[in-house]
Amino acid sequence: EPEVTQTPSHQVTQMGQEVILRCVPISNHLYFYWYRQILGQKVEFLVSFYNNEISEKSEIFDDQFSVERPDGSNFTLKIRSTKLEDSAMYFCASMVTDSSYEQYFGPGTRLTVT
Amino acid sequence: AQRVTQPEKLLSVFKGAPVELKCNYSYSGSPELFWYVQYSRQRLQLLLRHISRESIKGFTADLNKGETSFHLKKPFAQEEDSAMYYCALRGTGRRALTFGSGTRLQVQP
Repeated sequence: EPEVTQTPSHQVTQMGQEVILRCVPISNHLYFYWYRQILGQKVEFLVSFYNNEISEKSEIFDDQFSVERPDGSNFTLKIRSTKLEDSAMYFCASMVTDSSYEQYFGPGTRLTVT
Repeated sequence: AQRVTQPEKLLSVFKGAPVELKCNYSYSGSPELFWYVQYSRQRLQLLLRHISRESIKGFTADLNKGETSFHLKKPFAQEEDSAMYYCALRGTGRRALTFGSGTRLQVQP
């Protein structure tokens, strides 16, 4: 069964550094998402992406964040200058179409900012 | 603003006992409600949604608009039900999910 994959599984970076988290959504899916979960807190929506543009974003998704689909398979989340508070588990998800309801989640990337 | 509240962080029951995981929501329109589950070392996956009104792995959930609740129930818990359960809401015309803080269900033998 196809699955969403994410790399790396764990990323350690220093404060102020740029980091890119990578996701490969399920191949026939058209909608892509990033969520994050700070340790002990809720899963929070960051951004959704469709047809090569952002379709929705939360207040968390400020100018430090960007997303890109550089080719036909990868979907990336870039954090330009990481802060300590960016330490979290980042989940990618994908969905087939707008009328479908199930978002398929990846296993997550744990980002640790030191 | 939309919000999902799961009041219990941990629910511990014995095998064979009934289970009810509580979820309340705040939303001005007609939301879609979901339950997602995360088993140990596995990814988040959809368990069920209110529109389908089906039973998955013996779990059911009924949307009560008057009480703005979407509690998850199972009459007889099994050890393999032990997991983290998240209630989630999707607002009208939106694609983002708003999650509750989750409830860890422990089913003891």
